Amino acid sequence: DAKTTQPTSMDCAEGRAANLPCNHSTISGNEYVYWYRQIHSQGPQYIIHGLKNNETNEMASLIITEDRKSSTLILPHATLRDTAVYYCIVRPRNNAGNMLTFGGGTRLMVKP
Amino acid sequence: NAGVTQTPKFQVLKTGQSMTLQCAQDMNHEYMSWYRQDPGMGLRLIHYSVGAGITDQGEVPNGYNVSRSTTEDFPLRLLSAAPSQTSVYFCASSRTSGGGSYNEQLFGPGTRLTVL
Repeated sequence: DAKTTQPTSMDCAEGRAANLPCNHSTISGNEYVYWYRQIHSQGPQYIIHGLKNNETNEMASLIITEDRKSSTLILPHATLRDTAVYYCIVRPRNNAGNMLTFGGGTRLMVKP
Repeated sequence: NAGVTQTPKFQVLKTGQSMTLQCAQDMNHEYMSWYRQDPGMGLRLIHYSVGAGITDQGEVPNGYNVSRSTTEDFPLRLLSAAPSQTSVYFCASSRTSGGGSYNEQLFGPGTRLTVL
């Protein structure tokens, strides 16, 4: 699986958009970008994934650059409950056992 | 559906003791896996299973055994606990792929293990 680079931490004001970047310059053609988050002490939670087109669901939007070497997860109106560690993961759609390789992630702090 | 359940929530062991962490899911998911998370770190895969009777090693399998006799259950056994195994353990499950869709992993609440 390709390696990803994320900032260690970020702050965001409540109600504002949170933009979390991820660099994956070695991504290959069959690899997707996935985002999970982990709220304190809980198990990780799936957010969104994409291949090359921008994606949006009820939780977030995912913007992938045209060269696919980086992406941005957008939480349009961050709330205090969005405070969590956000993991960007790059891998083929369904590898053996559907495994995930977690890096250090970005610790997002949403402040009032 | 209860989702992914794990027991116990907390456990303290002495070095050398053995124990089994339980994981169960009621969603008929084929894939199940165990991860550990050390303080301030991301999750690392210990073992996984793609179906009943089939298991394989992940990134950090040493000191752990698994079995998958049923679709629902995927217990993790610590053979002889060591302080280095102090961690939070998460179990996850997901469906197999179908029709090109991605089947996200659902994680349990975790078991917090301390080995003295």
